[in-house]
Amino acid sequence: RKEVEQDPGPFNVPEGATVAFNCTYSNSASQSFFWYRQDCRKEPKLLMSVYSSGNEDGRFTAQLNRASQYISLLIRDSKLSDSATYLCVVGMGATDSWGKLQFGAGTQVVVTP
Amino acid sequence: DAGVIQSPRHEVTEMGQEVTLRCKPISGHDYLFWYRQTMMRGLELLIYFNNNVPIDDSGMPEDRFSAKMPNASFSTLKIQPSEPRDSAVYFCASSLVAGAFSTDTQYFGPGTRLTVL
Repeated sequence: RKEVEQDPGPFNVPEGATVAFNCTYSNSASQSFFWYRQDCRKEPKLLMSVYSSGNEDGRFTAQLNRASQYISLLIRDSKLSDSATYLCVVGMGATDSWGKLQFGAGTQVVVTP
Repeated sequence: DAGVIQSPRHEVTEMGQEVTLRCKPISGHDYLFWYRQTMMRGLELLIYFNNNVPIDDSGMPEDRFSAKMPNASFSTLKIQPSEPRDSAVYFCASSLVAGAFSTDTQYFGPGTRLTVL
């Protein structure tokens, strides 16, 4: 079983609509959580960190559910420029894994005019 | 401010040849990571360094792969001999404070697209 699992999509979203997707992680000792964005043929870039209380960054909202071990990302008022692959990322924070991040395979989002 | 720099950006080589990929992390970052990305396997961590010392190389696929970090501003990933199944995009990333919960952001370089014929 993969440590971080995501629905690969694609999620086809009309411009202006809302889209939401989750990822699940297997290790309950995970300490840090992120969403990265990767455009086609580009490197991954940090979109936002995910905090226990949930957090927003403009049109993006991230939630963490430790009990069920999942993380969600919601995008409101989708723009064409939001088309990308969204990678769910989990960090262990344990002494022997300090610095190591586990990346999900990504969820593809396609925003259409 | 320069980000992570990788070279070459593209490499095409023949099976059996030695390939060397290079990375310059962001100045001041004390963690450096090498990843490989393919359609089939996604993003895989190969090895990472802290203060130039390899910490975890459990992701290195086999002995044909080796990585070094001779100083804080330079790292190499070498494949010898290369095989067609090594074709992938290889990313280098660096971070300032790894493991500090939500502050351990990794910054990725643009990647090296390797094709082994």
